This record gives sequence, C-alpha cells and structure tokens, in this order.
Amino acid sequence: AQKITQTQPGMFVQEKEAVTLDCTYDTSDQSYGLFWYKQPSSGEMIFLIYQGSYDEQNATEGRYSLNFQKARKSANLVISASQLGDSAMYFCAMREGGDYKLSFGAGTTVTVRA
Amino acid sequence: NAGVTQTPKFRVLKTGQSMTLLCAQDMNHEYMYWYRQDPGMGLRLIHYSVGEGTTAKGEVPDGYNVSRLKKQNFLLGLESAAPSQTSVYFCASSRTANGYTFGSGTRLTVV
Repeated sequence: AQKITQTQPGMFVQEKEAVTLDCTYDTSDQSYGLFWYKQPSSGEMIFLIYQGSYDEQNATEGRYSLNFQKARKSANLVISASQLGDSAMYFCAMREGGDYKLSFGAGTTVTVRA
Repeated sequence: NAGVTQTPKFRVLKTGQSMTLLCAQDMNHEYMYWYRQDPGMGLRLIHYSVGEGTTAKGEVPDGYNVSRLKKQNFLLGLESAAPSQTSVYFCASSRTANGYTFGSGTRLTVV
C-alpha cells in the first residue's frame, strides 16, 4: 500500500497567491515524522519543513506552513505569497517510528505564473 | 562545504556493463541511503545502512549491491546494468530522525 499519496500531479498558481499541496499518509505507528522537500529544475532536494506526530502546533518556516490534520492523516503544505522561484517539484515524505528511512510521495509540480 | 557528495554526476552505460556510484559524507552521520527517482514515482529506497559495516534492503533492491566499509562512504553497485536502471540516483545521510542531507544526484542512462 502507498504510504504517501500526493494526488495533484501538477498545479498552476498566480504569483503572490497562496497554494496548497495535498499529502495524505498511511501509518499505524504513533510516532512518525512528515517532511516536505522542494526539487527545482536543477535537481537538488531542498528540505522545506518538518512536522513530528506529537507536535501540537503546525510547523511553519517562513512562507511555508504545514497544515497537519492527524485524524485525517493529512499533511498539506501551504506556500504563501508564491514567487516565480517557487516553480518546482514538491515531495511529501514520511519517517515511521524508530525507522530512519523516508518514504516519498510521487510529487506535485508547481508552476508559478507572473 | 560539508555535505553529501556523489560521484559521478552523469554516466552512460551499455547494457551488461557494471559500475559503482560513490557517496561520501563528512558530517559523521550514522545512516546513509540510496534512492532512485523515476518520473511519476517519487524517490524509492534501494538500500540503506544504519552504520559502518551494515547494509539493508529497501523497497527496490534487485539488481543493486551496496557496501559501507567506511562510515563516511556508501557505495552503490550495478553488476550488470539494464535499461530499467536508467534513473536519477540520490544518496542521503542522516544522524537524527528529522535531519536528512541529500546529494546532488547521479543521472544514469543505460543504453
């Protein structure tokens, strides 16, 4: 079974608008971590934000915030005030329990329009 | 700069040839990983290591072997390359449960 599901293959967003990228996960562990990475066209993996399963507050890092809904098993990424440089592939990933391996979703391509 | 270094960055192989991809990290991380990235499939774990001298299979290990003789290095080997192994390969390392560092990737084409 897919552990991480990203249902949006591609999205367009207008510059300066906010965009929400969906991510749902599947785990039976109580302790887990959720990550979002950005992959620009140059190919490197850039860490954006992390949410631990026991964290009560939603994680925020600058223009990035993670909308964590534990009961729904969703960890959506919100990018506020989109910039042209935000055009990239975005991956949601999960670490389960004491296991340090990451499982990735298929990714969502975001294109920011001027 | 500290981080994860992958060599080579690009390689073209003929079917049946062998090669080794090298991953080196200078952050004293215990855990190291090899992923492959294919269009529409995200990153999939090939093999990983939880410390020097240890290796374990990931999600897609067939056709690959790995070795971790030194803590800082994690080698990925293809003994007999196949076109299905055409992919972008990423190495990563971590010390804690929420701190991962990725290399810049190796683009491998098998013809």
